[in-house]
Order: sequence, then structure tokens, then C-alpha cells
Amino acid sequence: DFQMTQSPASLSASVGDRVTITCRASQGITNSLAWYQQRPGKVPKLLIYAASSLQSGVPSRFSGSGSGTDFTLTISSLQPEDVAIYYCQRCNTGPFTFGPGTAVDIK
Amino acid sequence: QVQLVESGGGVVQPGGSLRLSCATSGYIFSNYAMHWVRQAPGKGLEWVAFISYDGSIDRYADSVKGRFTISRDSSKNTLYLQMNSLKVEDTAMYYCTRERRGFYSEYWGQGALVTVSS
Repeated sequence: DFQMTQSPASLSASVGDRVTITCRASQGITNSLAWYQQRPGKVPKLLIYAASSLQSGVPSRFSGSGSGTDFTLTISSLQPEDVAIYYCQRCNTGPFTFGPGTAVDIK
Repeated sequence: QVQLVESGGGVVQPGGSLRLSCATSGYIFSNYAMHWVRQAPGKGLEWVAFISYDGSIDRYADSVKGRFTISRDSSKNTLYLQMNSLKVEDTAMYYCTRERRGFYSEYWGQGALVTVSS
């Protein structure tokens, strides 16, 4: 069965810190990966598509990288409004599996 | 602007059926593929189903295959999810999403809550 994993499951960092979240696919998915942000009580929001392309309107402190099975979401300078759960998703073919999520909060 | 509005959620007994609708506006409905994504209370996101822009291709999560059917009506600019043989574990907020080219969920509705309980 295809699986997406994320690490860490949660993290706490200070405002201004650089934060990195990792996503791993159980099989290669080229660069067909999305990252979503879900703030508390809100609808998920697309941040990154095609592994490294920034969705329109998303702050440039967010960036994505990776290809094949290993991917990274980086927040270059953590802001209070970045408190959220971040999900990766396979987007090359069905099933379009989500990762379990990484919860980010402020220390 | 793109708008997606889900309806049809509610409380249903195990084994029952429900049909969700997602009314869309602000873009050419027949040009874009769509997904249903759900989120159980306090849990993560789970992809449920996909339908291509013209309705010719559909895909389902194993957890709903054979019980749920995704469909679309271009004359009404509306996406549907027919849910049969509902189980307690189907309880969730159900979101419809519109793709950005490449299956990415660019636009999301506000969700419809489905509760399966006796």
C-alpha cells in the first residue's frame, strides 16, 4: 500500500526560527507533491505545488524542495500566523494520499 | 471569484445513505477536475474521491470504494458525492476541492459535516 509519512509529528519553535518539515513517499512520485497549511478551525490552504512552486499569495518565507520520495517544506522565519498543521499530499495519481500532518506552534 | 459551497450534510444512522452537493461558481466548471476530501473530528486530512474535468475518470480511496460515488453535472455546475452503506467511521467534515492543473487542491469549500450515529 502506498504511504506518505511526515516528520516530525509536531514541533515548537521561536518566532524568527527556520523550520523544516520532511515528507517521504513510499514510492517515487517525481515532483508531484503539494503542501497545505491548516490553521486552527480553518479550511486547508494550498501553499506549494509541484514540490517547489509557491502558490499565488503565499508569503515567500515558505519554500519547498525535493523529488522522487523525499520532500521538504521550509519556513525561513517563523511567524505567529504560521501556527498550523502542515500536510503533504501525493498528486501524481490516485490514491491522492495525504501525509499525517505536522503541527507547528510557537515556543 | 471561485466559490465552492457544500450542502447535504447531516446525521444518518449506520447503513444509511446521504448525498453531498458542491455548488460551484466563478469559473468554467467543465474545465477542471474535482476532489472530495474529508477530515474526521480531531484527525488529519483524508482524500476520498476524484473526478476528471469531463467526468470520464473517477478514483476512490480504498476506505470508500464500492460505497461512495462521485459525479458531476455541468448543466448545474455542481459536484456530488453519493454515500451509501455509511459507517460510524465515515463521520467527518467533507470538503469539495477544485484542482489546480496537476491534481492539486487549489480551492476548498467550507465543508459539510456528516455524522453517522445510531
